[in-house]
Amino acid sequence: KQEVTQIPAALSVPEGENLVLNCSFTDSAIYNLQWFRQDPGKGLTSLLLIQSSQREQTSGRLNASLDKSSGRSTLYIAASQPGDSATYLCAHSNSGYALNFGKGTSLLVTP
Amino acid sequence: ETGVTQTPRHLVMGMTNKKSLKCEQHLGHNAMYWYKQSAKKPLELMFVYSLEERVENNSVPSRFSPECPNSSHLFLHLHTLQPEDSALYLCASSQDGAGGQKTDTQYFGPGTRLTVL
Repeated sequence: KQEVTQIPAALSVPEGENLVLNCSFTDSAIYNLQWFRQDPGKGLTSLLLIQSSQREQTSGRLNASLDKSSGRSTLYIAASQPGDSATYLCAHSNSGYALNFGKGTSLLVTP
Repeated sequence: ETGVTQTPRHLVMGMTNKKSLKCEQHLGHNAMYWYKQSAKKPLELMFVYSLEERVENNSVPSRFSPECPNSSHLFLHLHTLQPEDSALYLCASSQDGAGGQKTDTQYFGPGTRLTVL
């Protein structure tokens, strides 16, 4: 079964810092990789989707990269804000219906 | 209503009860999903329906019974649950491309927080 690991499990940073969240996966047969955000007790919000043919995607202050050969993806958040506080989930798809999720990185941005 | 909606948002039930979770998507998608999110564990896919046909069942116990009457609605019927079934149940939808290619992201509802006593 596909294993998806996210590091760190939790992160606390002061407002304004740039930060990197890491995701690694064991199955190199990747179809796409997605990053989601989940607020406490809420559903998931899709942030970025990277197809296997792509190396990165950008949306506002967020940039996600994909390195298939090493089985890694990173989510870069620039100039972090308190409103960015949430759990960030990485999900790998190998073309089937299933998204294989990591346990997430819990981010706290303090004012 | 927009996006993916789920009702109820919270549910407390006894082990002998029968209840149903409802999901509705307003995005015109053709695939719908049930996920389970337990504390300290990654999201687990339970069921997938594509074009109203069940295409995936991830070894889910029979006390969970899905139903997809049309492409916009998905139900999860619950009976004789166990306390370890307490979790956040999330519904999602997506648009399948031609040939079963999963070209689009999945859109999630807010979830139903289920507590089994």
